[in-house]
Amino acid sequence: EAGVTQFPSHSVIEKGQTVTLRCDPISGHDNLYWYRRVMGKEIKFLLHFVKESKQDESGMPNNRFLAERTGGTYSTLKVQPAELEDSGVYFCASSQSLGGVEQYFGPGTRLTVT
Amino acid sequence: GQSLEQPSEVTAVEGAIVQINCTYQTSGFYGLSWYQQHDGGAPTFLSYNALDGLEETGRFSSFLSRSDSYGYLLLQELQMKDSASYFCAVRDRGSGTYKYIFGTGTRLKVLA
Repeated sequence: EAGVTQFPSHSVIEKGQTVTLRCDPISGHDNLYWYRRVMGKEIKFLLHFVKESKQDESGMPNNRFLAERTGGTYSTLKVQPAELEDSGVYFCASSQSLGGVEQYFGPGTRLTVT
Repeated sequence: GQSLEQPSEVTAVEGAIVQINCTYQTSGFYGLSWYQQHDGGAPTFLSYNALDGLEETGRFSSFLSRSDSYGYLLLQELQMKDSASYFCAVRDRGSGTYKYIFGTGTRLKVLA
């Protein structure tokens, strides 16, 4: 069974540019989460999808961030326009629908905004 | 507010036992998870406690005391490969949906 995959693994962009991160969860996992970790700090929750619906987006920093999960499969997280403080590692995780306490994380996308 | 506290770094020698503590403050506590992350890798699930007590999985054990808002991860017979960051995470249902709140992580260094 394939794990959670994320693309790209690294991205270096300039302030003001746009970047789109992609996450492919484990097949059949309805729950999909986005997290961000800034060096030395906590893994911070951004948002939670159940299938294609946003269940909780309370962690999204501001309206420069837009997440979608069309068709309830893969998800994208777009940052437009990027700012310096958006730098960090963006993780995606998925879990099963009922009682799925174990989250399966992807390898992350390291975003650097210069 | 919601917060988790865990030590930033712990050092131990091979073969030893180490305990990583986690205290939490959340509004809708459901359970406590532990994740391991090697440098540059993805966090991987270690354990989950919903009820008070000790859960054992091989060399790793996890403990929870809901009344004390406290838990710990116990690693026995430490090996070099256990050098990694360990995160506690609360499964919270404060706003009606499940959300996971992570700590800042404890960096474990295992010395030969």
